Amino acid sequence: KAGVTQTPRYLIKTRGQQVTLSCSPISGHRSVSWYQQTPGQGLQFLFEYFSETQRNKGNFPGRFSGRQFSNSRSEMNVSTLELGDSALYLCASSPAAASLGDSPLHFGNGTRLTVT
Amino acid sequence: GNSVTQMEGPVTLSEEAFLTINCTYTATGYPSLFWYVQYPGEGLQLLLKATKADDKGSNKGFEATYRKETTSFHLEKGSVQVSDSAVYFCALRRTGNQFYFGTGTSLTVIP
Repeated sequence: KAGVTQTPRYLIKTRGQQVTLSCSPISGHRSVSWYQQTPGQGLQFLFEYFSETQRNKGNFPGRFSGRQFSNSRSEMNVSTLELGDSALYLCASSPAAASLGDSPLHFGNGTRLTVT
Repeated sequence: GNSVTQMEGPVTLSEEAFLTINCTYTATGYPSLFWYVQYPGEGLQLLLKATKADDKGSNKGFEATYRKETTSFHLEKGSVQVSDSAVYFCALRRTGNQFYFGTGTSLTVIP
């Protein structure tokens, strides 16, 4: 079974631009979550989507948004990029809604975003 | 609120040494607890998990026991190998699919 696939692996953008990151979950997984990983803050939860609906949202500004498609693929968008948005963005999928079981998260290898 | 505190690194051990990485948590109710491992250039991989008090998770020689009385989930391995060098994250899951991660502990094992 293919794992979680994130594209692209690396991105370099300049301040003020916007960026879209893509995530394809493991086949059959309907929940997709996004995390930001930085050396200073560690792993911070951005949001989770399940069946095309955002179910949870972390404490990030509105510049960070996401969506999920009917095939469970997800995209994350960051507008008006700031230097502090430089980070590794990790996508994780899970088979079901949490209330239906206790499945772990399965992570992709991440997209490394550098803002200059 | 929910949070995870894990031992600061980096940790450097000789091959075949005993490993302990401490992890304590704060949460309402009864969270599920996880250890994830991250190798350079990769995402996180699930190492082990425990879903209720006194459960012991184990995988690849690593073990951790869910201790409700001390709100802890310490990771242990009896004999580390060079291939165990990685960053280890303790995490809890309280509701939904929102996980709370510790800051990570970097482990280097030298031959």
